[in-house]
Amino acid sequence: QSVLTQPPSVSGAPGQRVSISCTGSSSNIGTGYDVHWYQQLPGTAPKLLIYGINKRPSGVPDRFSGSRSGTSASLAITGLQADDEADYYCQSYDSSLSGWVFGGGTKLTVL
Amino acid sequence: QLQLQESGPGLVKPSETLSLTCTVSGGAISSSRYYWGWVRQPPGKGLEWIGTIFYSGSTYYNPSLQSRVTMSVDTDKNQFSLKLTSAAAADTAVYYCARRNNWDYADAFDIWGQGTMVTVSS
Repeated sequence: QSVLTQPPSVSGAPGQRVSISCTGSSSNIGTGYDVHWYQQLPGTAPKLLIYGINKRPSGVPDRFSGSRSGTSASLAITGLQADDEADYYCQSYDSSLSGWVFGGGTKLTVL
Repeated sequence: QLQLQESGPGLVKPSETLSLTCTVSGGAISSSRYYWGWVRQPPGKGLEWIGTIFYSGSTYYNPSLQSRVTMSVDTDKNQFSLKLTSAAAADTAVYYCARRNNWDYADAFDIWGQGTMVTVSS
């Protein structure tokens, strides 16, 4: 059971907007630790998608955005495309565990 | 462009030590801007942080694995390594090495190796 809770799956049609939640607690997201998001395409290594809550590395389209509210964070994807189909993971630091923690991952299906 | 490459045995017997090395190319491991880490992913499951090391040798381990994990760094070879003792079937996973960037990317893992599958079985 992950310290950061994500929905196992989300889906959307091409062109639509989807959101993936990442629910933490007062010892991680709620404390103000940064939240990062990774995209993992089938059979490949994770790729940094969003860092520091809402910043995009060079090359990541602005269709991807991040936000935080209280003890939760969210990843939003607009203008869904077929190649967005992947697993998405959130990550933060947890002071109670004294280490970095990942969410359980969310599988995005583009219908 | 910086690249990371994992290497090591793909099969480890139960109770033995799992050993992996990550070779860094295209940049120096001895930079104060970065940490170096290991993350694993059991088949069909999510990501788990194993530990992180600084080029000076300072280490940070996942408390759930701390008693079995040792990480080391060799700046001359531009490599860092992972040892996990008393391997069990639950340690079967794809093991990734990655760079943790506290300079540009708020401590996120910004560069990853391709991963190496390690199976623990007799």
